[in-house]
Amino acid sequence: EVQLLESGGGLVQPGGSLRLSCAASGFTFSSYAMNWVRQAPGKGLEWVSVISGSGDSTYYADSVKGRFTISRDNSKNTLYLQMNSLRAEDTAVYYCAKDYPRYCSGGSCSSAYAFDIWGQGTMVTVSS
Amino acid sequence: QSALTQPASVSGSPGQSITISCTGTSSDVGGYNYVSWYQQHPGKAPKLMIYEVSNRPSGVSNRFSGSKSGNTASLTISGLQAEDEADYYCSSYTTSSTAEVFGGGTKLTVL
Repeated sequence: EVQLLESGGGLVQPGGSLRLSCAASGFTFSSYAMNWVRQAPGKGLEWVSVISGSGDSTYYADSVKGRFTISRDNSKNTLYLQMNSLRAEDTAVYYCAKDYPRYCSGGSCSSAYAFDIWGQGTMVTVSS
Repeated sequence: QSALTQPASVSGSPGQSITISCTGTSSDVGGYNYVSWYQQHPGKAPKLMIYEVSNRPSGVSNRFSGSKSGNTASLTISGLQAEDEADYYCSSYTTSSTAEVFGGGTKLTVL
């Protein structure tokens, strides 16, 4: 079964740091780009960051650029999000989401810029 | 980066059809066929319903369809059912400083 399982959320003070993890199973992890998407309480979805299957390309939302770092360990089938200098407005449920492929060739897949598999989410609360 | 524009709410009766719009710019919705739609029930993770404007992933009902005209994409749900009541979000690839942008979401109420 294809599955994503996030962990690492919790309560942190403003200015603090937290690292989220997302464990993947049931698919060839290294073939797909992976994303983080967040949702503040009662609000809509906000795309946060994406990393390519190999890990050599990353992109960030302006709201987190310079504070958050996305990474992956393909040997452990795990995606990470290092969050530094946290602010109250970073309070949200954080989801990891697998990229939906347009096509796959030679062990890598091109992106359809859609997210077909989502984790259950992990809550991050930034408050003093 | 501004979110794509969706109506806050739409409603319809069982069996009817409804359409949710998603308006962007030529840098996102209008410029690329990378518009997706997601369904989210309360307390649950989003579910991909449409990708690349009009394609349905395996397992998604053919009551859900997508289209695009200019800078506006649309999701149509035909034969409304009670279980369709949920929040719906569009998203698009964008050439702005980020890679992806979501709409603000639309709450669908089945009367």
